[in-house]
Amino acid sequence: AQKITQTQPGMFVQEKEAVTLDCTYDTSDQSYGLFWYKQPSSGEMIFLIYQGSYDEQNATEGRYSLNFQKARKSANLVISASQLGDSAMYFCAMREGNTGGFKTIFGAGTRLFVKA
Amino acid sequence: DTAVSQTPKYLVTQMGNDKSIKCEQNLGHDTMYWYKQDSKKFLKIMFSYNNKELIINETVPNRFSPKSPDKAHLNLHINSLELGDSAVYFCASSQASGQEEKLFFGSGTQLSVL
Repeated sequence: AQKITQTQPGMFVQEKEAVTLDCTYDTSDQSYGLFWYKQPSSGEMIFLIYQGSYDEQNATEGRYSLNFQKARKSANLVISASQLGDSAMYFCAMREGNTGGFKTIFGAGTRLFVKA
Repeated sequence: DTAVSQTPKYLVTQMGNDKSIKCEQNLGHDTMYWYKQDSKKFLKIMFSYNNKELIINETVPNRFSPKSPDKAHLNLHINSLELGDSAVYFCASSQASGQEEKLFFGSGTQLSVL
């Protein structure tokens, strides 16, 4: 069963507008971490934002914010004031494990296109 | 200085050959990983090492053998390459192995098996 679900294979947004990328996750762990990574067309993977499962406040990093709804098991990424350089693949990820080791598992990604 | 560097960036080879990809991180991190990204961009963890010790092996065929000579290096050797091995392989590291650790990725190695 998929643990991270990103239901939007592709999204379009007008420059300067806000966009929400959806992510739901599945885990029976009480303690886990949620992440978003960006992959531009150049191929590198870039960390954007982190939310811990016990964090009550939604995480924010500049124009990125993570809308964390624990009961719904969702961790949507909101990008405000989109820029052309935001066009990229975006991956939602969850880090789970135990003292034996943690691993980060990724969703299938959403490709975001920012229109001028 | 590149934090996580992997070589080569591109690798084109024939089926049946053996090849290696090298990875080094200069961040002082304890934990390193190999991920495979397929043609549909799906990223799947293959291995994780913590302080040179294998801690995660995600049911990868035993043709894939990781080796960590020290905690700054994690190499991946692939025997008897198959067409299905064609993918981008990413090395990554994290400071430790906890749930809050973000990953620092190398730039990827594009492997093409002909």
